[in-house]
Order: sequence, then structure tokens, then C-alpha cells
Amino acid sequence: DAKTTQPPSMDCAEGRAANLPCNHSTISGNEYVYWYRQIHSQGPQYIIHGLKNNETNEMASLIITEDRKSSTLILPHATLRDTAVYYCIVRVAWNQGGKLIFGQGTELSVKP
Amino acid sequence: DTAVSQTPKYLVTQMGNDKSIKCEQNLGHDTMYWYKQDSKKFLKIMFSYNNKELIINETVPNRFSPKSPDKAHLNLHINSLELGDSAVYFCASSQVAGQGASGANVLTFGAGSRLTVL
Repeated sequence: DAKTTQPPSMDCAEGRAANLPCNHSTISGNEYVYWYRQIHSQGPQYIIHGLKNNETNEMASLIITEDRKSSTLILPHATLRDTAVYYCIVRVAWNQGGKLIFGQGTELSVKP
Repeated sequence: DTAVSQTPKYLVTQMGNDKSIKCEQNLGHDTMYWYKQDSKKFLKIMFSYNNKELIINETVPNRFSPKSPDKAHLNLHINSLELGDSAVYFCASSQVAGQGASGANVLTFGAGSRLTVL
């Protein structure tokens, strides 16, 4: 079972920041948070991951709360091509296979 | 060159047939996976191989048999196809299975193989 909870859908205006929340209240101390997205009919694409510090790369920023029970993915200037389903994933501990369990995700619609 | 390539991209077949989907990665990764995405869009892991050894085998009917001839290839063979097998099957690879730096478990996915069973 997925260990994360996300809103099923969100809208964002083109050019504005998209803030996608994720709850992972049962996360363990050594479990990482990963974000992937799936653009229609394509394979999932890695975005970013983190443990407890905030992270930034060329695609997005990841803000993790101090208690690590929730996080927010930020797309600073959303474009129409960012319309996709965004998955927040807590990776299962390595000694249980380290697998990624996908939840339902958030369907982000970026509108002109 | 495509990092993770799957063939065929589309597959339409009759119930009861046997079919295979092939996957190859040129990233030098040690671990490969098969995920199934059903009509409700849930992505569910099926199998994982690390350097040709099976390490994850979720509750999948034994009609599904993965085969990894080498660490760059992970094929999926399905016997006696059923209507419920209709889905998009995604292959993925990562550098290592789990232990180690978190970055090593970033998955690269293929474009998917859409299987339709009539």
C-alpha cells in the first residue's frame, strides 16, 4: 500500500508556481521521499527526491517539513507541458526490497 | 539512444494466447523492474531483478514469468492471457536495488507496452 496521501487533482495558471502537497505521516527516519510525474501515455519521469533537507534541481524544488510528515513539490513557473499526474512516493526500506510504491497521484492541469 | 526500450509498444491478442514483452536498458544499471498500469491508472510493481537475480516478486499469477538473460535485459512472458491482463506494462531500471545512496534508486522508465487482450 502507498504510504502517501495526495489531492486527486489541482489546477494552476500558466507561469505561476504550482505547489503540490503530499502527506506521509508514517514515514520512517531513513526513508526518502521521491517525486515522479507521468505525462499522458508516457512512462513516469523522475523529478526530485529528498530525506530531510529541502532540495532543488533544474525541474523543481522539494520542501520537507521538519517533522518529515509532509512535503511540497514546487514547480516555480508552470508551463502547459507540466500538465501531468504527479506521484509522491516514500521508498520502502532497502531490506524490504527498496521498491517504489506508487499511489494515486495528483493530476495537475496547467491552464493558459 | 533510448535509455530503456521496450518492444512491442502495442500488442493486441486473443485470450488464451502466450505473448512476450522485451526490455533492454543501456544505462549500465544493475536492477530492472516490471510495473503494470491498469485502466484506473494505478502503477503496481510486479517484479524486480538485480544483476539477473529475482529480488521482488509481488503477488502476480504464475502465468507471468520474467526472464533476465543478462543485467541489461528483462523480458516478461505471459501465458494463457486473460482479459484482465489488458494494461500498460512499464519496464524500468535503477543503479542498485535499495541499500546505498538514495540517488542510486532513481528509476528510469521505458515508454510502456500497451497490451490489449480480446
